[in-house]
Amino acid sequence: ILNVEQSPQSLHVQEGDSTNFTCSFPSSNFYALHWYRWETAKSPEALFVMTLNGDEKKKGRISATLNTKEGYSYLYIKGSQPEDSATYLCAIGNQFYFGTGTSLTVIP
Amino acid sequence: DGGITQSPKYLFRKEGQNVTLSCEQNLNHDAMYWYRQDPGQGLRLIYYSQIVNDFQKGDIAEGYSVSREKKESFPLTVTSAQKNPTAFYLCASSTSGSSYNEQFFGPGTRLTVL
Repeated sequence: ILNVEQSPQSLHVQEGDSTNFTCSFPSSNFYALHWYRWETAKSPEALFVMTLNGDEKKKGRISATLNTKEGYSYLYIKGSQPEDSATYLCAIGNQFYFGTGTSLTVIP
Repeated sequence: DGGITQSPKYLFRKEGQNVTLSCEQNLNHDAMYWYRQDPGQGLRLIYYSQIVNDFQKGDIAEGYSVSREKKESFPLTVTSAQKNPTAFYLCASSTSGSSYNEQFFGPGTRLTVL
């Protein structure tokens, strides 16, 4: 069992603020890291798959970085909008070990 | 539209009864997965299948059983041996079982044991 930790557990930001949160994982035997967005009453949707140390991925206002040597990934949201409100999950490993997620609420 | 369907959305079961949760996909994916979510915990893998007629246990397989007779279908049976079956269950699929492939998720089934 791989221990995947996400912080903070929850986050409230004002519309227009930029924010970031962290996914920490064991750095040994790294395969890939996945970020998912899970909106209430919907299914989780994939945001990024990251595989190499130093990877940076971007989709619109959301971006992510990966440091496999120290075992963490950051997810950034620039200029948060109410529609960004969701739980953001990360997962690693060949059996997909998920963190508990960061719940983001963007206040209009 | 391609996707993953799970039924039913809500399921109630009396203690001691077995119940089967349905998961169907029309994405032509080889791999399928079952997860369980409990409050305050991340998704935990119950079973996964990388190919028809083959499946492997995840970390919390005790009290569950699966079958993979067709590529499109991966039903999960929650048996009476599962001590705490009340939970939210998510099914997912991916192109293959590689950890590099993203998973596509169904809408989930919320099981309540009365």
